[in-house]
Amino acid sequence: EVHLLDSGGGLVQPGGSLRLSCAASGFTFSSYAMTWVRQAPGKGLEWVSAIRTSGDQTYYADSVRGRFTISRDNSKSTLYMQMNSLRAEDTAVYYCAKASSGYYSDYWGQGTLVTVSS
Amino acid sequence: EIVMTQSPATLSVSPGERATLSCRASQSVSSNLAWYQQKPGQAPRLLIYGASTRATGIPARFSGSGSGTEFTLTISSLQSEDFAVYCCQQYDSWPLTFGGGTKVEIK
Repeated sequence: EVHLLDSGGGLVQPGGSLRLSCAASGFTFSSYAMTWVRQAPGKGLEWVSAIRTSGDQTYYADSVRGRFTISRDNSKSTLYMQMNSLRAEDTAVYYCAKASSGYYSDYWGQGTLVTVSS
Repeated sequence: EIVMTQSPATLSVSPGERATLSCRASQSVSSNLAWYQQKPGQAPRLLIYGASTRATGIPARFSGSGSGTEFTLTISSLQSEDFAVYCCQQYDSWPLTFGGGTKVEIK
């Protein structure tokens, strides 16, 4: 059974940094691209970033490019998101998701809440 | 960036009735379109990919159609567990984009 466990969220001040993690199990992690999707309170889903199987290719939404860095450790079956220069508008639940062959997300973590506030 | 527009924003339907949800892309996404269901406090769940292929374990009452710029999700006979928010996503080009969602509520 596929399982994705998001962690690392919390309260951080504007301009601060946070690192999210997503521990994967139940599938061959190194064979699948992974994505991060976020959802601000009361709002819809926003795609944030994606990474290919080996980590050699990454993709970002314009809203986070240059501030967020996606990475993965295939030996640990773990996905990461390093978030720097955080802004109030980054406040959201962040979901990691397993990408299928076409980069749609067939399995999702439970989400981790990031709150950016002073 | 491809803009995904969903309509209506809210759909009021009685249990047992049919629900038809629309998703429009600002440019062609071929059949690279997915539908998700999300309930309050839960992560999204994949329903449909490739515009019309049901994901594993999704009941046959859910069906997707369309290609290019116009897509439809149909729920043939709404069950109590189907009242939720439905969202489309294009994965044809970067950045990936989601529609704003349609809330299906009990009439």
